[in-house]
Parts: sequence; structure tokens; C-alpha cells
Amino acid sequence: QKEVEQDPGPLSVPEGAIVSLNCTYSNSAFQYFMWYRQYSRKGPELLMYTYSSGNKEDGRFTAQVDKSSKYISLFIRDSQPSDSATYLCAMKREDSSYKLIFGSGTRLLVRP
Amino acid sequence: DAGITQSPRHKVTETGTPVTLRCHQTENHRYMYWYRQDPGHGLRLIHYSYGVKDTDKGEVSDGYSVSRSKTEDFLLTLESATSSQTSVYFCAISTQEDTEAFFGQGTRLTVV
Repeated sequence: QKEVEQDPGPLSVPEGAIVSLNCTYSNSAFQYFMWYRQYSRKGPELLMYTYSSGNKEDGRFTAQVDKSSKYISLFIRDSQPSDSATYLCAMKREDSSYKLIFGSGTRLLVRP
Repeated sequence: DAGITQSPRHKVTETGTPVTLRCHQTENHRYMYWYRQDPGHGLRLIHYSYGVKDTDKGEVSDGYSVSRSKTEDFLLTLESATSSQTSVYFCAISTQEDTEAFFGQGTRLTVV
């Protein structure tokens, strides 16, 4: 079983829709949670970073962490065609500052 | 791209030949990483470095070696390339204080 599970998609939504992307994990020691966006043939770029449980909002993006359920989410409001990309979740333990564990990514397509 | 340059960007090589990929950073970050990205597996850590001449193995290190003789350069060597090493390779950097990693544009390697 992988430490981090992520539905590969593709997830296809119309422009303007609210998008929900999710990851589940098995290691309760994870404390840092990140979302990366990766456009085709590009490197991943950091979107959101949260520590422990709770919500964090940045513009149209909201990241949620539910440590009791070992579940993290990324919400995108008013989705745009430019949001079409692969979204990767990543996480790490408190005692391992440089070892990120990634999900396999969810491909999102926002239709005009 | 956070001052990270990977070279070459594309390479085709034959089975059994040695291959070296280079990552160069201008950010003076302490930590450097090599990941490979394959469909269904997401990003997997090959090796990482926490300083000049200080390196350690990641989760998929077999068949790979690394060297870091200067802060700015991190080399990944495939001693004898195999078809299973066909992949997209990403270099990443991070500071000691930050938890997020910044990625390069990737190197697409094909072993025939």
C-alpha cells in the first residue's frame, strides 16, 4: 500500500465550477502538507503549504487538512481553463525536513 | 523556476552506457534532490544532498549515484543505463528552514 493515495483522474469540469481534489495517507506522523501544480512537460510548482490540521486560503485556492481522517483536500473556486494541469499532493514528517512523499497526481481539465 | 537549471533537457541513450544529468542552482540552497517521475508513481526520491559532499539515498536509489562537490551543482549518474530508467528526472532545492521544495524543468531520458 502506498503511503499517499491520489485518484489519477482525469477530472473534467466546466469553466466556473468548484473543483475538489483529494489525497489520503496512512502515516499519522505526517505534519506538513503541500499541493503542487504541474503543467504538461514542466516541473511542479508549489501552490499551497499547510502545517498540521486546518484550512488555508489563497485567492481561489483553499487547502484543508483533516488529520483525524488522514485526508487532505484542495478546492479551486471559479475554475479556469488555465487551471488545467496535474495536481500533486505531498507531505512530510516533522522529523524529516527534506523527505517529501508525493501522491501520483490528479489530472484536471477545465472545459471552456 | 527558482534559479534551477537542469541539463540536458532531453537525452536518448543506449542500454549499458553511463549517463550523467546535471542540476545547477543559483539560490545557494543547502538541500538538493533528484526525483524521477513515472506514470502511476508520481515523484519518487532517488538521492538527496544536505551539503557539499553530504548525500544520502532515497527510496529508488538502486542503479544511481550522485555527487555534490559544490553548493550549486548536484550530479546524478546512471552507471549503466537500463530501459527501466527511462523516465523524467527532476531536480529540486530547498532551504533548511523552508519545508517546500522548488523544482527544475526536468530532463526527459530515454534508454533504448
